[in-house]
Parts: sequence; structure tokens; C-alpha cells
Amino acid sequence: QGQLAQSGGEVKKPGASVRVSCKASGYTFINYHIAWVRQAPGQGLEWMGRISTDNGNTYYAQKFQGRVTMTTDTSTTTAYMELRGLRSDDTAVYFCARATSSYEGDHFDNWGQGTLVTVSS
Amino acid sequence: QSVLTQPPSVSGAPGQRVTISCTGSSSNIGAGYDVHWYQQLPGAAPKLVIYRNTNRPSGVPDRISGSKSGTSASLAITGLQAEDEADYYCQSYDSSLSGAGVFGTGTRVTVL
Repeated sequence: QGQLAQSGGEVKKPGASVRVSCKASGYTFINYHIAWVRQAPGQGLEWMGRISTDNGNTYYAQKFQGRVTMTTDTSTTTAYMELRGLRSDDTAVYFCARATSSYEGDHFDNWGQGTLVTVSS
Repeated sequence: QSVLTQPPSVSGAPGQRVTISCTGSSSNIGAGYDVHWYQQLPGAAPKLVIYRNTNRPSGVPDRISGSKSGTSASLAITGLQAEDEADYYCQSYDSSLSGAGVFGTGTRVTVL
């Protein structure tokens, strides 16, 4: 079935960058794609983008283009999401999620536990 | 602001049936894109409960069902139980702007 284990919470100052990791186990990493979804405190889910783990192809939501970079390391079966130019409204729990295809509307059958990123001066 | 609109809350007594709507437009649900549904318990990651409009993943009880028609989709929970109390989100694809995955605004289900 598989598992996605994310890195621990982070506290960052405005303008800084953060990198969140998502370690996959229990399944063939390159057979699935990884998406990133965030959830601000008390708010709904927001789709950020996805990366194809087999070729590194990425697709970012327009809102995040220029500020986000998603990468993978197939040798360690780990996906990464880096967000730059952090603002207070980037404070959120960031989830990685597994998709069976690179289609941006695909469903997510497995989720990481979430990583809280707090942006505060 | 999401392009998929859900009611903020629905409630029902144990054993009753509740439905959650997900209203979109011609650039998402109305264009034929699939709808998926997630259940999120407090403090937990979302869990897939319906994919591609009507399909249940293994382990999801058949009390939970999905449907889609026109520019909307719905999630129904019959025989409501205390364990169903959670937030529910729909998800689809939107072709407007540059296109992307989109989530609904979310619905809190309360078991009275």
C-alpha cells in the first residue's frame, strides 16, 4: 500500500525559504506521481502542483509559479517541495500526496502526515 | 477562493442520510472532468473516500457513495455514524487560466 513520511515542522522568517521532504516507502516510487497540497489554519485544501517521479516533469498552480520548486531523488525515494519568498499567509500544513498519473485532476490515494510551516517575524 | 463550492456544514442524527453538494462550472465538473472526495478527521491528513465520481477505495464502507450530474457532484452518507463526523472535500480539474487541480471549499459533517 505504501507510506509517505514527511519532515518535521519549520519556523521561518518572512522572505526566507523552506524545503519540505516526503519519504516514500512500501511501493515502487517511480510508478506513482507526487503532488503537494497545503492547508492554512482553519481553512480548506489548496492544490500546489505535482511532479512526475519517473522523469521529473513538474506542473505548478499558477499562484505558486516562480516561488515553488518540486524535485525528487529516486535513489532515496524522496520528494521535495521548496517554497521561496515566504509570507505570513504561507503559514500552513503542507501535505505530499500520491497520484497514479501525471494528470492534474487525478485523485490521491495516499497522503503524508503533513508538515506545519510557520512564517513569523 | 475555490471554483468548487460546497455547503459549509451539514448535519444529521445517527442512522440518517446526509448529502454534500459540490457545485462547479463549465470549466471543471461541467466539462466532464472527474470528481473525487476526501474525508479529513481533525488533525489528520485527508483520506480518499470516492474517486472518479462513483468509485470507493478498498475499505471505505458502502454507506458512502458519489454521483455527478451536469456541473455538480454529490457525496451521500447513509446510516450516519459518529465516526463520519469530519470535514469533506471534493476535488477536480479546472481548465480555466492555465489549468490545475482544484479542491472544493469543504463541508463539516456533524452527527447530532
